[in-house]
Amino acid sequence: ILNVEQSPQSLHVQEGDSTNFTCSFPSSNFYALHWYRWETAKSPEALFVMTLNGDEKKKGRISATLNTKEGYSYLYIKGSQPEDSATYLCAFESNYQLIWGAGTKLIIKP
Amino acid sequence: DAGITQSPRHKVTETGTPVTLRCHQTENHRYMYWYRQDPGHGLRLIHYSYGVKDTDKGEVSDGYSVSRSKTEDFLLTLESATSSQTSVYFCAISMTGVGGQPQHFGDGTRLSIL
Repeated sequence: ILNVEQSPQSLHVQEGDSTNFTCSFPSSNFYALHWYRWETAKSPEALFVMTLNGDEKKKGRISATLNTKEGYSYLYIKGSQPEDSATYLCAFESNYQLIWGAGTKLIIKP
Repeated sequence: DAGITQSPRHKVTETGTPVTLRCHQTENHRYMYWYRQDPGHGLRLIHYSYGVKDTDKGEVSDGYSVSRSKTEDFLLTLESATSSQTSVYFCAISMTGVGGQPQHFGDGTRLSIL
């Protein structure tokens, strides 16, 4: 059974601080690793899709790295803002499907 | 935003009744997915489709069936709803099923089975 783990489950961060969290996934049969941002009462929105070991992607203050050999990805947020409050989901792509982690809920304290 | 419409957005029904949820897309994407989202769980795949009349089961397919008679529509049916199927249901689409294409989501359907 493929399992995707995200840690921590939730995270409180002071506005202006930087933070990061982790997604662990199987290191075999890898196609891609996805990151999504999910705001309350909205639908998940794609942030990054990474396919190559060592990939780094960046969108504004948010960036992600990928290590397919050891099976982990980090999502970094620099200088957190209140609008960054959301649940961040990662998903491991295998065999035409995405296997989802349970998410990291990020709360930015003003 | 990707053109994905889920209907209905909210539904309350009784145990044992049939329920059909509809996902409609205007993007002409080949792949369509139905997920359920429950507290403490990530999104769990119910069924997916890789073309007209081509569907396959996901992780939690028991008690659900799907149909795709047109590219733009993917229907999820609960033949005889149970309280354990109370959940938020999301439809998603993607251009290809592999190769790192993101999925785009509808706004969800909140289904309550009493």
